[in-house]
Amino acid sequence: EPEVTQTPSHQVTQMGQEVILRCVPISNHLYFYWYRQILGQKVEFLVSFYNNEISEKSEIFDDQFSVERPDGSNFTLKIRSTKLEDSAMYFCASSKTGETRYKGGYNEQFFGPGTRLTVL
Amino acid sequence: KNQVEQSPQSLIILEGKNCTLQCNYTVSPFSNLRWYKQDTGRGPVSLTIMTFSENTKSNGRYTATLDADTKQSSLHITASQLSDSASYICVVLTSGTYKYIFGTGTRLKVLA
Repeated sequence: EPEVTQTPSHQVTQMGQEVILRCVPISNHLYFYWYRQILGQKVEFLVSFYNNEISEKSEIFDDQFSVERPDGSNFTLKIRSTKLEDSAMYFCASSKTGETRYKGGYNEQFFGPGTRLTVL
Repeated sequence: KNQVEQSPQSLIILEGKNCTLQCNYTVSPFSNLRWYKQDTGRGPVSLTIMTFSENTKSNGRYTATLDADTKQSSLHITASQLSDSASYICVVLTSGTYKYIFGTGTRLKVLA
């Protein structure tokens, strides 16, 4: 069964360094998402991406964050200058369809196993 | 403020018993509500998705209900199994900004 994969499973970095988290979505999916979960807290939406551009982003997704689909298979999240508070589990997700902007539509998102980011 | 509240925070039940988890939300405008199961250290897995016009949806032993008038949802688990031990997360999508609002989850432990 196809699944979303993420690499690395655990990334340790020094404060101020740039990190790139990688995701390979399910191959026929067109919509991609990043979420984060700080240890012991709830999952938080960061950004959604479709057709090579950001569809929606949360308040958390500031100028330090960027997303890219550098080729036909990878979807990346870059944090330019990491802070201690960026330490969290980062989940990538993908879906075949998007949320329609009309009543009654929805997608089903498939999540990857996550990358645990530790900023020292 | 858009919020999703879940109760109880944690729950312990014996294998074979049923249980019901609650979700109350203040998200507006509403698009859809999802229930996810999250095993420790893993990504969430979708159980059900409901739009405003659906008031019940089942997925095997999981049955979700939605009352869009009172802004409440429940997830009922029938004949629990040890593998049901996980966190169950309620998520509401706003139709205005299309952002996902997550609840803090209910941690369920099923004992033999």
